[in-house]
Amino acid sequence: EAGVTQSPTHLIKTRGQQATLRCSPISGHTSVYWYQQALGLGLQFLLWYDEGEERNRGNFPPRFSGRQFPNYSSELNVNALELEDSALYLCASSFGLNYGYTFGSGTRLTVV
Amino acid sequence: AQSVAQPEDQVNVAEGNPLTVKCTYSVSGNPYLFWYVQYPNRGLQFLLKYITGDNLVKGSYGFEAEFNKSQTSFHLKKPSALVSDSALYFCAVRDMNTGFQKLVFGTGTRLLVSP
Repeated sequence: EAGVTQSPTHLIKTRGQQATLRCSPISGHTSVYWYQQALGLGLQFLLWYDEGEERNRGNFPPRFSGRQFPNYSSELNVNALELEDSALYLCASSFGLNYGYTFGSGTRLTVV
Repeated sequence: AQSVAQPEDQVNVAEGNPLTVKCTYSVSGNPYLFWYVQYPNRGLQFLLKYITGDNLVKGSYGFEAEFNKSQTSFHLKKPSALVSDSALYFCAVRDMNTGFQKLVFGTGTRLLVSP
C-alpha cells in the first residue's frame, strides 16, 4: 500500500512569489491535514480537508489556502511568500476519528 | 482548548538504559493520545496511541506509554534504549468532545542515546 506522498520534496522560491505543494493521501483516507514545521516551533496546524471541504483552519493568514480534489488529493497554496514561510510542510491523512495520522515525508520550502 | 506539553527539550540516555519521554495533556473531554517519532529530514512516524482500555499501551520498536488520567500524563518509555532510537519525539492529543479531528502536537523532545 502506498503511503502519503508529497511533491515536490524541495522547493525554492523568491519572496513575493507563490508556492504550490501537493499531497496524495493513502487510498481510502478522506481526510487530509496540513502542518507547518518551522525551525524550533514544532508542528503548527494549518488546514484540515475532508470530503472536499475545508473543515478547520489554524491561525495562519489568508494567503495560506488550499483545496481538496474529488480523488481526495490536496493542494496547499502560499501566496506572497515571506522569508518566515521557510519551513517543512507536512501533509497527513487519516481514516477516521479512532485512528492517528499517516504523514508524508514533507516538502521543504525555502524562501530567499 | 486542547494542548500537550513536553517539558523537556532534550533527553540524554546511555544505550541499554531505560528511557522516559514526558508528556502531559489538557482537554475538556476524553483524550485520544498519540506518540510520533521524526528522523532527520523525514515526516513523522506513528509509534502508538491510547484511545480507551488498558492504561499501558505497547507500540512499535519496543516503545510503550502509560496513560495516567489523574496526572493527565502519557509518558513514553522503553526498557532498553538503542542508539538508533535517537530522534525527535512528539506527543499529540485529539479532544474527542470538540468534534474537530485535528491533532494538537507538543513542541517535541529530542532523544539522544549515547553508545
